[in-house]
Amino acid sequence: DAKTTQPNSMESNEEEPVHLPCNHSTISGTDYIHWYRQLPSQGPEYVIHGLTSNVNNRMASLAIAEDRKSSTLILHRATLRDAAVYYCILLHGSSNTGKLIFGQGTTLQVKP
Amino acid sequence: SAVISQKPSRDICQRGTSLTIQCQVDSQVTMMFWYRQQPGQSLTLIATANQGSEATYESGFVIDKFPISRPNLTFSTLTVSNMSPEDSSIYLCSVPGTANTGELFFGEGSRLTVL
Repeated sequence: DAKTTQPNSMESNEEEPVHLPCNHSTISGTDYIHWYRQLPSQGPEYVIHGLTSNVNNRMASLAIAEDRKSSTLILHRATLRDAAVYYCILLHGSSNTGKLIFGQGTTLQVKP
Repeated sequence: SAVISQKPSRDICQRGTSLTIQCQVDSQVTMMFWYRQQPGQSLTLIATANQGSEATYESGFVIDKFPISRPNLTFSTLTVSNMSPEDSSIYLCSVPGTANTGELFFGEGSRLTVL
């Protein structure tokens, strides 16, 4: 699976939007872009995923660049509970092989 | 979604002993996955456990060290054998979602400390 690059850490103020970037310049045409987050002392939880078009769900939005070499996870209004490590992961195809390759992710701090 | 329960949630073990971690899922699943998260690190897949067949191990992980059982479609165990301090990690069980989207659900993990 292709590699992703994320900033090590980011800070945000509570109730402000947060844009978490991810670079994946070697992405292939069948790689899906997945985002997970890991809250302190918990297992990772799925946030969102997409292939080409921007995606929205109740947790976040995913903006995918036209060339698909980068994407941005958008939290529209950060809360203290959003403080977590956010992982951007490329998954070949849509099947559940279970082999998620986690990088170091971005540690998001949310200040009150 | 799937609800995954792991036992124990944490344990402190002595060097040279073995510990078995249990993973119970509230629905039947064909595949279950075991991950390891070493202190301050990200997650690494240990193996895939399919019901009715031998587990498939990733590079760097072997059956003698991490034997896995998968007796039915809702349960699996991972044993960490002959433990050393380097095995101190969080071990997580995960299962795929029902939709074919690549989504995985994770348990809360079992935190092992080896003295």
